[in-house]
Amino acid sequence: GAVVSQHPSRVICKSGTSVKIECRSLDFQATTMFWYRQFPKQSLMLMATSNEGSKATYEQGVEKDKFLINHASLTLSTLTVTSAHPEDSSFYICSARDVVAGGFQETQYFGPGTRLLVL
Amino acid sequence: QKEVEQNSGPLSVPEGAIASLNCTYSDRGSQSFFWYRQYSGKSPELIMFIYSNGDKEDGRFTAQLNKASQYVSLLIRDSQPSDSATYLCAVNAGNTGKLIFGQGTTLQVKP
Repeated sequence: GAVVSQHPSRVICKSGTSVKIECRSLDFQATTMFWYRQFPKQSLMLMATSNEGSKATYEQGVEKDKFLINHASLTLSTLTVTSAHPEDSSFYICSARDVVAGGFQETQYFGPGTRLLVL
Repeated sequence: QKEVEQNSGPLSVPEGAIASLNCTYSDRGSQSFFWYRQYSGKSPELIMFIYSNGDKEDGRFTAQLNKASQYVSLLIRDSQPSDSATYLCAVNAGNTGKLIFGQGTTLQVKP
């Protein structure tokens, strides 16, 4: 399957600082990437859809000014958690959409995730 | 509200047995169906996808899709302790590329 990377894999920061997480599709181009958050023993929660060349689409209840998304190229999307607070501590996971040319057949591959701890 | 339903489990099977994981979905327009495996503390890993009615086999895994019944399942033959994980069923949500996930079924394979 296709490979999606994330960097960093884990980060610890002080409350009030901003943290940037990178998501890259390594062997395919992804016009669409997704950002999820997962708290311990809970389901994945979709935060936003990142579209190359346009603004991200945020899910209801997700603050767009707090979670800044930039889809700079067909292989890179970044999520910046601004002014992070302890309640933002979570497992952040990106995925990239791989669309087979010409049809509805598509798959979505996940990155390994970034574990954020805000002190 | 488009939904995907899974039994949260845990589903416990002995080593070597067949594990059967089930999923139902509400949107008849869905066309793409996925099974992801998620180990504790890790991100989901795609293990199977299916687009057409019927069975699709890949090694020890078989995905089964019945669009008329809005039902998709995953069979794991010769279950191994390393198969112990949470299995997430996901269904596409129209043309947005978004996936709707079930809450996941926890599988425990006992040696």
